[in-house]
Amino acid sequence: AQKITQTQPGMFVQEKEAVTLDCTYDTSDQSYGLFWYKQPSSGEMIFLIYQGSYDEQNATEGRYSLNFQKARKSANLVISASQLGDSAMYFCAMRGSGGSYIPTFGRGTSLIVHP
Amino acid sequence: DVKVTQSSRYLVKRTGEKVFLECVQDMDHENMFWYRQDPGLGLRLIYFSYDVKMKEKGDIPEGYSVSREKKERFSLILESASTNQTSMYLCASRSTGALIKPQHFGDGTRLSIL
Repeated sequence: AQKITQTQPGMFVQEKEAVTLDCTYDTSDQSYGLFWYKQPSSGEMIFLIYQGSYDEQNATEGRYSLNFQKARKSANLVISASQLGDSAMYFCAMRGSGGSYIPTFGRGTSLIVHP
Repeated sequence: DVKVTQSSRYLVKRTGEKVFLECVQDMDHENMFWYRQDPGLGLRLIYFSYDVKMKEKGDIPEGYSVSREKKERFSLILESASTNQTSMYLCASRSTGALIKPQHFGDGTRLSIL
C-alpha cells in the first residue's frame, strides 16, 4: 500500500521569501510519480508540478520546484519568492500503483503568506 | 480549455433528502472520481469510475451511490442525506492511459445538510 505524509498542518511565510512544504512517501514500487496540487480558498484544485521516480532532474515549473530525495523518500515542494496569492492548501499525491488508477493523497498543508 | 464542471458550488439540503451532485467533463476521460474533503482529513475517495457503467468503491462509500450512464457525466447520490455528510465534494477526471498526467478537478460543491 502507498502512503503520503504531510507533517505540517500549517505554515507561515513572509512575502518574497522562499518556503518548503514537506512530503514524504512510502511505496514498494520502483516506478512511481508524485504530484503537487494547490487549492485556494475558492476550492478548485490546481495542478502545480509532477516528479517521476526515474526523472534525472528535479522538476521545476516557474516559481515551483521539487526537492526530490529518493533515498529519504521525500518530495518537498519549494516555492520561491512567495506571493500573497500563494496562500492556499497544498496537497502532495502519489499516482496509482500496480495497475490502479487511484492516486493517494496526503492530508495537506495550509500555507499563509504574510505581507 | 479543458473543464470539469460541478453542477453547484453551494447546496443546502435537509436530512433524509435524496441529493444528487452532478459532474461533467469535456475531455473524453475514461476515469472519473468523487472525493470528500474535510478539514484535517485531506481528500477521501468515495467512488471511482473507470468507464461508462463501471464503478469501484473508494475508502468511504457508505451512504453514497454513483451513476455513470454517459462517459462525460458522473453523478454522486446521497440516498438519505445526514448531517455528517456536510462537507466539500470534489469531482475529478483523468485519461486512462496517462498515469503521469494529473487529475483535473471541478470547483467543488460545498454541501450543507440541515
